[in-house]
Amino acid sequence: DVKVTQSSRYLVKRTGEKVFLECVQDMDHENMFWYRQDPGLGLRLIYFSYDVKMKEKGDIPEGYSVSREKKERFSLILESASTNQTSMYLCASSSIKDTSLETQYFGPGTRLLVL
Amino acid sequence: KQEVTQIPAALSVPEGENLVLNCSFTDSAIYNLQWFRQDPGKGLTSLLLIQSSQREQTSGRLNASLDKSSGRSTLYIAASQPGDSATYLCAPGGSGGSNYKLTFGKGTLLTVNP
Repeated sequence: DVKVTQSSRYLVKRTGEKVFLECVQDMDHENMFWYRQDPGLGLRLIYFSYDVKMKEKGDIPEGYSVSREKKERFSLILESASTNQTSMYLCASSSIKDTSLETQYFGPGTRLLVL
Repeated sequence: KQEVTQIPAALSVPEGENLVLNCSFTDSAIYNLQWFRQDPGKGLTSLLLIQSSQREQTSGRLNASLDKSSGRSTLYIAASQPGDSATYLCAPGGSGGSNYKLTFGKGTLLTVNP
């Protein structure tokens, strides 16, 4: 079974702090994604990566950066956390080797509260 | 820009009923479409993936259909059970030239009453 894990389920940070959210997948997937989910707005793509050190902006990249130094790990960085970044953050991964495996597999989510 | 609408936003049914969840999308140039389930406070679980060349996919009591030209997909749940209670999300993928980018609807909150 594919497993996507996220480093924290719950996180409380202060405004202005630098925040790192980590995601690890164990299925050798090429693609990895970071989303945020907010009531009434649904899931929105922040960044995705299609290979090590490769990244593309999603729909709402402002205030975020990402890092992918190893294939299995994709990090989301909030350079200076703000209260409007309080949200549920979801990581996902998918394969491009076989079209039947393009399903995105999601981690359990990190609920971030910025005070 | 792809926009996804799911109707109804919420649905409450008695156990055993068959039901249909609807999804419409504005850009029909999609690569595939996925249906997900999300339990409260949890991540998403993939239910079904339909490639753009397919008309439907089935998994157990679930059947998803895709009419790409009209921008519609439906998720049919047979003989619903209380354990089916969750939010169901539709996500067409691949519009805008990126074959792995999903755009999510806001979901249908399903409650199945015993």
